[in-house]
Amino acid sequence: GQQLNQSPQSMFIQEGEDVSMNCTSSSIFNTWLWYKQDPGEGPVLLIALYKAGELTSNGRLTAQFGITRKDSFLNISASIPSDVGIYFCAGVRRNQGGKLIFGQGTELSVKP
Amino acid sequence: DARVTQTPRHKVTEMGQEVTMRCQPILGHNTVFWYRQTMMQGLELLAYFRNRAPLDDSGMPKDRFSAEMPDATLATLKIQPSEPRDSAVYFCASGLEGQGNEKLFFGSGTQLSVL
Repeated sequence: GQQLNQSPQSMFIQEGEDVSMNCTSSSIFNTWLWYKQDPGEGPVLLIALYKAGELTSNGRLTAQFGITRKDSFLNISASIPSDVGIYFCAGVRRNQGGKLIFGQGTELSVKP
Repeated sequence: DARVTQTPRHKVTEMGQEVTMRCQPILGHNTVFWYRQTMMQGLELLAYFRNRAPLDDSGMPKDRFSAEMPDATLATLKIQPSEPRDSAVYFCASGLEGQGNEKLFFGSGTQLSVL
């Protein structure tokens, strides 16, 4: 099925560094969601975005809904070891019953 | 904390056997989704329900997979007969759709291994 283009696929960073990842699509989405998945667990919702241009923070995480409605990014500031995991973007189109389309994921590794 | 509950967490079975996975959505949610996660394909939507009615199961192999919601507190995903290529993690998610603030909450998944 159709997926969002998420990049990068993986990141290896030093503790304390900032992280940025993004998702792009050729079509418009009305909702963007960012999830984090730890090993052996389901994705956990981090941030939800509902309006073009919206910028939302959750602690050290900040996400934005792109103006064109075709992209979104997630920033993590001052990374810590527990930020390790796989981050997924997901988009929802209007009149799709809340159906999420997922990006391929960004695997984040943080070196203490 | 309200959460989506999935059982079993792990299932190992032999090819040809029937597998049933269960999900209890968050109380009050009106949508339930089944996703499958593999290394190769990522998260794929198999089926989803709104108010217990199936809306879309186009992602599901119809000949062997079936999804039902016998009541508002239980969703099931069955595979009969199971095949090794069905080995994956199966996630259930629930949400409250129709208020302009769609978001899904996921269970911890059922890790299925078909030998």
